Amino acid sequence: GENVEQHPSTLSVQEGDSAVIKCTYSDSASNYFPWYKQELGKRPQLIIDIRSNVGEKKDQRIAVTLNKTAKHFSLHITETQPEDSAVYFCAAGDRTSGSARQLTFGSGTQLTVLP
Amino acid sequence: NAGVTQTPKFRVLKTGQSMTLLCAQDMNHEYMYWYRQDPGMGLRLIHYSVGEGTTAKGEVPDGYNVSRLKKQNFLLGLESAAPSQTSVYFCASLMRGILNTEAFFGQGTRLTVV
Repeated sequence: GENVEQHPSTLSVQEGDSAVIKCTYSDSASNYFPWYKQELGKRPQLIIDIRSNVGEKKDQRIAVTLNKTAKHFSLHITETQPEDSAVYFCAAGDRTSGSARQLTFGSGTQLTVLP
Repeated sequence: NAGVTQTPKFRVLKTGQSMTLLCAQDMNHEYMYWYRQDPGMGLRLIHYSVGEGTTAKGEVPDGYNVSRLKKQNFLLGLESAAPSQTSVYFCASLMRGILNTEAFFGQGTRLTVV
């Protein structure tokens, strides 16, 4: 099955700096890579995703890059703000399969934005 | 439109007791999932369902059973709770189809087994 590794497990940055979280996956059949944000005591919520036919996707201060050859993808947050502090999860899955290929999640990164 | 709702939100069980967690979604989603979240281990899939009347094992199914008698409900059962099952449990649902990609999560159930 799929195996997703996520690094780092904790990340502290100064407000205004950039943050980068990296994930690798093992199953070359995976073609869908979402990122979820989980604030303390709340449920995970999708913030951005990318499909395997795209190398980069951007949404305001958040961007995701994908390298299918190397099987890794990254989340980039620019101009970080205190409200970006949360746990971030990457995931990999197959959204073209007729069956519900489940998402495999990384272990999470606790991002702390210091004022 | 409530989305995905889990009950209960908190529960303390004694070792050996049984309980059922309920997940209900009102978005007519075909796919439903149960995850557990433990510190440093991310979200691990317990069981999932691709439709009413069908269930399948995920990554960590031992000690749990599930049922999907109605499309909108996905039940997670613990027959004989163990301290190792202390965790936060999340239910999620997803619409079938390659254009529908976002998994919606419930608010979580914090379970402590003593």
